Amino acid sequence: DTAVSQTPKYLVTQMGNDKSIKCEQNLGHDTMYWYKQDSKKFLKIMFSYNNKELIINETVPNRFSPKSPDKAHLNLHINSLELGDSAVYFCASSQGPQTGELFFGEGSRLTVL
Amino acid sequence: AQSVTQPDIHITVSEGASLELRCNYSYGATPYLFWYVQSPGQGLQLLLKYFSGDTLVQGIKGFEAEFKRSQSSFNLRKPSVHWSDAAEYFCAVAASNFGNEKLTFGTGTRLTIIP
Repeated sequence: DTAVSQTPKYLVTQMGNDKSIKCEQNLGHDTMYWYKQDSKKFLKIMFSYNNKELIINETVPNRFSPKSPDKAHLNLHINSLELGDSAVYFCASSQGPQTGELFFGEGSRLTVL
Repeated sequence: AQSVTQPDIHITVSEGASLELRCNYSYGATPYLFWYVQSPGQGLQLLLKYFSGDTLVQGIKGFEAEFKRSQSSFNLRKPSVHWSDAAEYFCAVAASNFGNEKLTFGTGTRLTIIP
């Protein structure tokens, strides 16, 4: 059983479209995250949710809207996609903010044409 | 704000040779420090972490890292690498009062293993 699973794994779309990436974790963790990894492999936090509540929003454009229907799921919706949104998006979870270990999904590679 | 520098973008090592990957951090207080590994097409996996106490920490897959406050470093080592260690390695730092919530990653070091 995959601990943190993301779908889809690959997304290719045109500029201006809207897309969603789904994430589910079966670890029973309270905290979930979205990270963006750019073409230079730089990994930066976008959002953090603790028990369905938004904890961190790291100056991400409001075209990006996370939604957490329950603590096992954290989805990412992106409106009006731009070329610069092309990246690999990683979902992660942890037992809590002080545990020091994130469990990552395999990533969703988004390509905007 | 904290930051992490991994000075080596790419390192090539022969199988069976020793390995050291460098990591320097910037943070005003005692940081939380981590090493993660990313195999091709995979998410990141925690190798080891340092919160406090013994400055030499052991991790999975035979890796260890040493925290040196005077040098603001947390270098990763392995005495003998295996072909399966080929991957991207990320050092990360977190503010001790925030933990995971403010985890900052370095830009990674790609490790290539040659026979």
